[in-house]
Amino acid sequence: ELKVEQNPLFLSMQEGKNYTIYCNYSTTSDRLYWYRQDPGKSLESLFVLLSNGAVKQEGRLMASLDTKARLSTLHITAAVHDLSATYFCAVDPYGGSQGNLIFGKGTKLSVKP
Amino acid sequence: EAGVTQSPTHLIKTRGQQATLRCSPISGHTSVYWYQQALGLGLQFLLWYDEGEERNRGNFPPRFSGRQFPNYSSELNVNALELEDSALYLCARSLVEVICPQHFGEGTRLSIL
Repeated sequence: ELKVEQNPLFLSMQEGKNYTIYCNYSTTSDRLYWYRQDPGKSLESLFVLLSNGAVKQEGRLMASLDTKARLSTLHITAAVHDLSATYFCAVDPYGGSQGNLIFGKGTKLSVKP
Repeated sequence: EAGVTQSPTHLIKTRGQQATLRCSPISGHTSVYWYQQALGLGLQFLLWYDEGEERNRGNFPPRFSGRQFPNYSSELNVNALELEDSALYLCARSLVEVICPQHFGEGTRLSIL
């Protein structure tokens, strides 16, 4: 069974702190997606990681991919309140041929002053 | 970038009724994907349409169906509604499904009473 597991599922941080969200997946996939979802809103694409060792950074967020370990991380640096949201990782184990992404359950991040 | 438009925003139905949800096209986007986001279950893949044809469907009963029109807009139909169908239904588009992240609409919140 294809599984994508994120941890933690809930994360309460103080502003200015660093933390990492982990995404493990159970099958081979050479592409991994990170999305952000604000309450009541749709999903916003953050990163697409296409190869082993890929690292992408945008502002205070940095994502990396280790396809051998089947692990992606989303690192948050010096968190600010605006980063409060739910973060999802997703994999495409079919190389686009099946049209669907397999999502993790999401990590709900709350950044407090 | 032009967004993915879904309608209606909210839909309230009773058990046994039928619901129709709509997704508007983006110029050049031939594929459309439907996902269900039920509380506590994360995003689950429902259907994939491309060039008017159903290409793949997720693990949902046949009462979930859809279609894609010549202008690439799409409808999701849910028959014989059940309480557990209450969820946020998201439509996503992708120009090149292999590497392009799927861009999501704001969703239709379907509530079954």
